[in-house]
Amino acid sequence: DQQVKQNSPSLSVQEGRISILNCDYTNSMFDYFLWYKKYPAEGPTFLISISSIKDKNEDGRFTVFLNKSAKHLSLHIVPSQPGDSAVYFCAASSGNTPLVFGKGTRLSVIA
Amino acid sequence: DAGVIQSPRHEVTEMGQEVTLRCKPISGHNSLFWYRQTMMRGLELLIYFNNNVPIDDSGMPEDRFSAKMPNASFSTLKIQPSEPRDSAVYFCASSLGDRILNTEAFFGQGTRLTVV
Repeated sequence: DQQVKQNSPSLSVQEGRISILNCDYTNSMFDYFLWYKKYPAEGPTFLISISSIKDKNEDGRFTVFLNKSAKHLSLHIVPSQPGDSAVYFCAASSGNTPLVFGKGTRLSVIA
Repeated sequence: DAGVIQSPRHEVTEMGQEVTLRCKPISGHNSLFWYRQTMMRGLELLIYFNNNVPIDDSGMPEDRFSAKMPNASFSTLKIQPSEPRDSAVYFCASSLGDRILNTEAFFGQGTRLTVV
């Protein structure tokens, strides 16, 4: 049973436009959410996180939104750049449990 | 710090052989995780250690899989005997803190295992 779901395996966006990656979760105990970015032949790297006490966290071109009532979070990248092309993993944790990851969404930013 | 170091980067082995994957976490990190990435299941947690002690190995798929952390700077994941369905990318990650709470994990580059 997938506790963290990324229902879109892939997404293509034009350079300069907004990329929106979505993530849903089922465990209401999750209180910390992260996005990781993964390039081919590399390990995932941390991108941005949000605590359940917030509904938005922004870091440069990256913004994460959290809707607790809908158990949904999203990552916005604006403007999108070709270097943003990667696989993005949504992850969540609760209390003292390790991160639970989604299956990932492959973002392609087209120049 | 060089980050989390995994070896080997690639491993090709025949079915039935023993495979050992190695990991050196970031110095000072108290928690270590082994994840496996497949197309079907994405990134799934196999086992994690806190202060060198295995905390939860419920993600280990079968008794063929075992992991050890003899000291704070080294961990191994062993598969014996290996099977073709074990083919995947195996990631080791570490994080700071005595509690696995709200801290980001730093990943190694992974070991791509192919069992033929």
